[in-house]
Amino acid sequence: DGGITQSPKYLFRKEGQNVTLSCEQNLNHDAMYWYRQDPGQGLRLIYYSQIVNDFQKGDIAEGYSVSREKKESFPLTVTSAQKNPTAFYLCASSTVYTGELFFGEGSRLTVL
Amino acid sequence: GENVEQHPSTLSVQEGDSAVIKCTYSDSASNYFPWYKQELGKRPQLIIDIRSNVGEKKDQRIAVTLNKTAKHFSLHITETQPEDSAVYFCAAHFYNQGGKLIFGQGTELSVKP
Repeated sequence: DGGITQSPKYLFRKEGQNVTLSCEQNLNHDAMYWYRQDPGQGLRLIYYSQIVNDFQKGDIAEGYSVSREKKESFPLTVTSAQKNPTAFYLCASSTVYTGELFFGEGSRLTVL
Repeated sequence: GENVEQHPSTLSVQEGDSAVIKCTYSDSASNYFPWYKQELGKRPQLIIDIRSNVGEKKDQRIAVTLNKTAKHFSLHITETQPEDSAVYFCAAHFYNQGGKLIFGQGTELSVKP
């Protein structure tokens, strides 16, 4: 069953803690993306990666970090430097050529 | 800069009426324009897309039109039904730094029975 798996679906964090969101895909897609969505807002791009061991900042990269050690995996770390991390985080993947995004089910992060 | 503007932010129609959502984009090199539907608490789902070599594409009650000269594209939903109620996002593909999709701000569509 091909697709994108995000975990955890719900996560609570205390202020000052780092947290890592997992994203795994078995679609053999080269490109992977992280978007942030706030209530009533659109999707804002945090980081994206077109190839293993390479990634680029999106519009709101401050306070976040990523790695792309394997084609299938693109974890996102929300660091303590992110001042307002409570949001819905969506991971997506695509082939480089078509551009069509396939989304995971999302991870909802709440900072207590 | 890379930007996609979407209007309106909210849209309320009666069941059976048509709904139109419009988007403009900043990069004339963009050539892929998808539309996503997102229900509350769920992931966005692709409903239709268009590439720059065509001006219009239809899929049952949904159609998308593209005007590359004016850099705008629109989603048209005919014979709306209550299950069409959701948030709709347009997006444009920007090729800077390897390519990425930038989304509009979203339109909350409400179809009243």
